[in-house]
Amino acid sequence: QQQVKQSPQSLIVQKGGISIINCAYENTAFDYFPWYQQFPGKGPALLIAIRPDVSEKKEGRFTISFNKSAKQFSLHIMDSQPGDSATYFCAPGTSYGKLTFGQGTILTVHP
Amino acid sequence: GAVVSQHPSRVICKSGTSVKIECRSLDFQATTMFWYRQFPKQSLMLMATSNEGSKATYEQGVEKDKFLINHASLTLSTLTVTSAHPEDSSFYICSARDSVNYGYTFGSGTRLTVV
Repeated sequence: QQQVKQSPQSLIVQKGGISIINCAYENTAFDYFPWYQQFPGKGPALLIAIRPDVSEKKEGRFTISFNKSAKQFSLHIMDSQPGDSATYFCAPGTSYGKLTFGQGTILTVHP
Repeated sequence: GAVVSQHPSRVICKSGTSVKIECRSLDFQATTMFWYRQFPKQSLMLMATSNEGSKATYEQGVEKDKFLINHASLTLSTLTVTSAHPEDSSFYICSARDSVNYGYTFGSGTRLTVV
């Protein structure tokens, strides 16, 4: 049973463009919705996270949107830069529980 | 911010030997730590959850006698891969949950190669 579905698998955008990655989940008990960024050979690093009591959170160029009724949340990267090229994972979880990782999205930003 | 130190970053060992990987939370107490395994171009797979002072909880399909986890203090957890074989070669990543400020911090990972 696949609890978390992330799309697309890969994404290519031009510098300055907008990158959008989506995550759909099934477990209604999830109450923590983070996005992680991972560079090759490194561990994931928290990019931005949201709680279910808000529908949107913005931190710099990164925005997370949350749709509780649709059980989806998304990551928007504005003004995408070559340095943003990495693998992105959604990993929803429960308070004091564990995270469930999506399949990952390989983002390539062309200069 | 919260920092998790993982060592070693790379290790090569001979088949049949054991390897220990350390995971330390440097500036916060972690009552719970997680161990993941990641194959190339794949997502992170949770292997086990360890709580300080108690036995680890292993995910289905993970051999607890092969992957020994110890979480003896609030800042240190170790993963020992016993009698390693080439198929155990992978990228192992630990994560620690801050018991005060809810959040998960990941280590930088350990690349294990068994020859």
